[in-house]
Amino acid sequence: GAVVSQHPSWVICKSGTSVKIECRSLDFQATTMFWYRQFPKQSLMLMATSNEGSKATYEQGVEKDKFLINHASLTLSTLTVTSAHPEDSSFYICSASGTSPDTQYFGPGTRLTVL
Amino acid sequence: EDQVTQSPEALRLQEGESSSLNCSYTVSGLRGLFWYRQDPGKGPEFLFTLYSAGEEKEKERLKATLTKKESFLHITAPKPEDSATYLCAVIPINSGYALNFGKGTSLLVTP
Repeated sequence: GAVVSQHPSWVICKSGTSVKIECRSLDFQATTMFWYRQFPKQSLMLMATSNEGSKATYEQGVEKDKFLINHASLTLSTLTVTSAHPEDSSFYICSASGTSPDTQYFGPGTRLTVL
Repeated sequence: EDQVTQSPEALRLQEGESSSLNCSYTVSGLRGLFWYRQDPGKGPEFLFTLYSAGEEKEKERLKATLTKKESFLHITAPKPEDSATYLCAVIPINSGYALNFGKGTSLLVTP
């Protein structure tokens, strides 16, 4: 149980384009979903927290107009990187928590490369 | 400011050589401390949650312990498949449920 999927697993795009990443909880309802970013040899840094049907809460320094988060249902959250630039290249990982809110289950991550 | 510090940064063990990884934390109040395992290019895999000092959890060759200032992840008789980065994270009280991660310990177990 507690499986989280992400799609796509990797994406390469040109600078200036937008990219959407999906995060799904497959066998439980995710009250809260989190989006993290991980640069090489670094740990995970929280970008934003989203609750189903509510606006996401962004961490300080994360541009909400650049990283659009939608949590439309209890099993799906999306992260859209708008007008991507090479510095946005990173490993994006989502997590989800259900009835036990302090335990997060992570997706496999999405490798974004912006050329 | 809430901080999580893991040591060592990297650890190389021979198969069967037991050791411990350390996670020191500074928070105003602790909701929970978490251990995750992360393989290269993958998302973190949940291992343990610890809530109060003195608590211990075990899973196969791994045992996690917690004091008021730090947590240890003991690895007994490790195998090469235990090679991974082990991440420690805390959730402070009154800060929602977002995880605050340390930088991890990269463990390599050689045959």
